[in-house]
Amino acid sequence: AQSVTQPDIHITVSEGASLELRCNYSYGATPYLFWYVQSPGQGLQLLLKYFSGDTLVQGIKGFEAEFKRSQSSFNLRKPSVHWSDAAEYFCAVGGRSNYQLIWGAGTKLIIKP
Amino acid sequence: DTAVSQTPKYLVTQMGNDKSIKCEQNLGHDTMYWYKQDSKKFLKIMFSYNNKELIINETVPNRFSPKSPDKAHLNLHINSLELGDSAVYFCASSPGQGRNTGELFFGEGSRLTVL
Repeated sequence: AQSVTQPDIHITVSEGASLELRCNYSYGATPYLFWYVQSPGQGLQLLLKYFSGDTLVQGIKGFEAEFKRSQSSFNLRKPSVHWSDAAEYFCAVGGRSNYQLIWGAGTKLIIKP
Repeated sequence: DTAVSQTPKYLVTQMGNDKSIKCEQNLGHDTMYWYKQDSKKFLKIMFSYNNKELIINETVPNRFSPKSPDKAHLNLHINSLELGDSAVYFCASSPGQGRNTGELFFGEGSRLTVL
């Protein structure tokens, strides 16, 4: 079965600390992987994506993610979070046609001052 | 210029009423979507159109009917509203098959509250 698991419903991090959000997937074909961010009251915005090639991908707002095929994971990282990073983060997986992405349940990031 | 715009942003209505949400994108994309986000932030795809043709029609009540008059517009009409329809509805677009990067561009959402 195709699925995306984000094990952490919410994570609290101090401002300036590093961040890692976990994402595990199950997908029958070559996965295309995505991280989206949803700020309060807003729509979702693409942070980064992985299709092929270098398994460490850089995104917007200083985020990066690493694809690990052996672990079926695509974890999101940021070396130093800012208060403006407080948001809901969604991991998603799709195939080449990508008409239908499989979405994780989201992880809410809370930033402590 | 807003890339994907939805109207209205907020909608409060009584059970049993019929309402519509409109969506327009000015990105020149071929594919448009409707998603429902519940109170727990879970995202569920409802419909997708590619060049005005319905390509995804998930299991949603037939009270929900999408309409795509052209590839820049995808509207959602809901008949006989129920309490469980309360949610945030997101419209999104993407470039389409062959040029599909998998990147979805979302509108800001339409929060529907059914009383």
